[in-house]
Amino acid sequence: QVQLVQSGGGVVEPGRSLRLSCEASGFSFSAFTMHWVRHNPAKGLEWVALISDDGRTTHYPDSVNGRFTISRDNTKGTKGTLYLQMNSLRPEDTAVYYCVRDDEGFDSWGQGTQVTVSS
Amino acid sequence: IQMTQSPSSLSASIGDRVTITCRASEDISEYLNWYQQKPGKAPKLLIFDASTLERGVPSRFSGSGSGTDFSLTISSLQPEDIATYYCQQFDNLYTFGQGTKVEIK
Repeated sequence: QVQLVQSGGGVVEPGRSLRLSCEASGFSFSAFTMHWVRHNPAKGLEWVALISDDGRTTHYPDSVNGRFTISRDNTKGTKGTLYLQMNSLRPEDTAVYYCVRDDEGFDSWGQGTQVTVSS
Repeated sequence: IQMTQSPSSLSASIGDRVTITCRASEDISEYLNWYQQKPGKAPKLLIFDASTLERGVPSRFSGSGSGTDFSLTISSLQPEDIATYYCQQFDNLYTFGQGTKVEIK
């Protein structure tokens, strides 16, 4: 079955960097567009980044554009890894971050990882 | 594209029919999905393309609408439906509504 297992996250000071990872298995990873989505209880859900199946196309909302970078490793056969490099972190980036598969909707989600930006 | 849900929260009895609405700031055709999120859990896809039920989702959930006005209906509210529901447009990148919290009266 589809599995998305996340790692990374934690507490970081404003202005610092953090990298999230998501190990994918149980499906042909290189055939799917992938996303990162975050949830803050006060703000709800926010889409954070998209990467095409081949990794050539990425998109971001204005809130993270220029600070966050999504990437992927498709070289492990049917398995793969999704990454989110987060630079110049701000307190408003505090949230639970999810990696998500896109298959007629955001149909499979990782378990989520907490990122807290605080001095 | 801005997505506005109403109400922000609602309280209903078991067995009630519940409807949540979602309005887009511009025409998004049927490029709309609905998600359910329970506390401490990842969101779950319920409806895609405005009205198509995701595999495994109970048939008491249904979606309708096109253009700018959409709705999610639970035909008979069950205890396990207590959650926050979000709409999401994917006509121009992705935007979620602010969420509707459903509670039991």
